[in-house]
Amino acid sequence: AQSVTQLDSQVPVFEEAPVELRCNYSSSVSVYLFWYVQYPNQGLQLLLKYLSGSTLVKGINGFEAEFNKSQTSFHLRKPSVHISDTAEYFCAVSDGNQFYFGTGTSLTVIP
Amino acid sequence: NAGVTQTPKFRILKIGQSMTLQCAQDMNHNYMYWYRQDPGMGLKLIYYSVGAGITDKGEVPNGYNVSRSTTEDFPLRLELAAPSQTSVYFCASSKPLGSGNTIYFGEGSWLTVV
Repeated sequence: AQSVTQLDSQVPVFEEAPVELRCNYSSSVSVYLFWYVQYPNQGLQLLLKYLSGSTLVKGINGFEAEFNKSQTSFHLRKPSVHISDTAEYFCAVSDGNQFYFGTGTSLTVIP
Repeated sequence: NAGVTQTPKFRILKIGQSMTLQCAQDMNHNYMYWYRQDPGMGLKLIYYSVGAGITDKGEVPNGYNVSRSTTEDFPLRLELAAPSQTSVYFCASSKPLGSGNTIYFGEGSWLTVV
């Protein structure tokens, strides 16, 4: 079974500043990687995913993530955050049989 | 685009009562899931189904039951509600995961047991 670690449970950041949300997973031969976003009182929405190919993946709302196989990481980044980015962010890994979710990172954008 | 639809959105139950959370999807997905989300704990898989007539336990199945009589519907039954079942419940669906397919979530059902 996979395990997914999101090292930061809460990340406060000022508006227009850059942000990185970290995600590490246990090693595996082949995995698919995902980031989901959950706005208050809503379900999870797909932000981006990595299946294969280029290790830099671009998603919605200006987010991007980089797959690093040697470090088993899939960190999420945004160069300039907005108030509307305040949400819970979940990293997830699929081994083709199951999905494994991290415990989430709460991003708070401060005006 | 309905996607995954859950009802009810909010519910308060008394200890010992039973209820069913409804879930329907219109994407013709074979796979369906029920998760619960507790603060700081992420998502825990309760039950899942890979097709009509097939269900299997996830990580935290105790106190819950499911059925899958059609491809579209996957209700979650809570028997003898307990305060520990106070949580947010998410239904989800997907195509088979082997090709890196995405899981799609409903809007959630907030359940409080008092």
